[in-house]
Amino acid sequence: GENVEQHPSTLSVQEGDSAVIKCTYSDSASNYFPWYKQELGKRPQLIIDIRSNVGEKKDQRIAVTLNKTAKHFSLHITETQPEDSAVYFCAARGGGADGLTFGKGTHLIIQP
Amino acid sequence: ETGVTQTPRHLVMGMTNKKSLKCEQHLGHNAMYWYKQSAKKPLELMFVYNFKEQTENNSVPSRFSPECPNSSHLFLHLHTLQPEDSALYLCASSPSATYNEQFFGPGTRLTVL
Repeated sequence: GENVEQHPSTLSVQEGDSAVIKCTYSDSASNYFPWYKQELGKRPQLIIDIRSNVGEKKDQRIAVTLNKTAKHFSLHITETQPEDSAVYFCAARGGGADGLTFGKGTHLIIQP
Repeated sequence: ETGVTQTPRHLVMGMTNKKSLKCEQHLGHNAMYWYKQSAKKPLELMFVYNFKEQTENNSVPSRFSPECPNSSHLFLHLHTLQPEDSALYLCASSPSATYNEQFFGPGTRLTVL
């Protein structure tokens, strides 16, 4: 089955700086890679996703890049704000699978 | 509440109890999922139902028994659980199992004593 590794587990950045979270996956047939944001005590919410036929996708301050050859994908947040503080999860959907395999999560802390 | 709802939000049970978690989605979706979220571990997929049929069982112990009577409701029946089963249990739904984006419920925080 699919295996997703996520780094770092904790990331602290100054407000206004950029944050980058990286994930690798094992199943070369995986075709869908979402990122979820989970604030304390709340449900995970999709913030951006990318499919395997695209190398990069951007939505305002958030972007995701995918390198299929290396089997890794990254989340980039620019001009970070206090409300960006949360746990971020990457996930991958393996070929033929119906569910998602998640990384362990990154606790992003925005320092004022 | 719209979207995906779960009840109860918190549950404390003994190892010999039998209880059930309920998930309901108001989005007209046909696929529903159970995930387990433990501290310092990734969200783990447990079960997938697509059009009321179970399509994935991710090697979940038999003390967890899912039920999907229709596309809007999903249950997780619990019996003779262990303390290590304490976790946040999240339900999710999507238009179908082949549709990528999944919408999560708020979760049930389960504590097994």
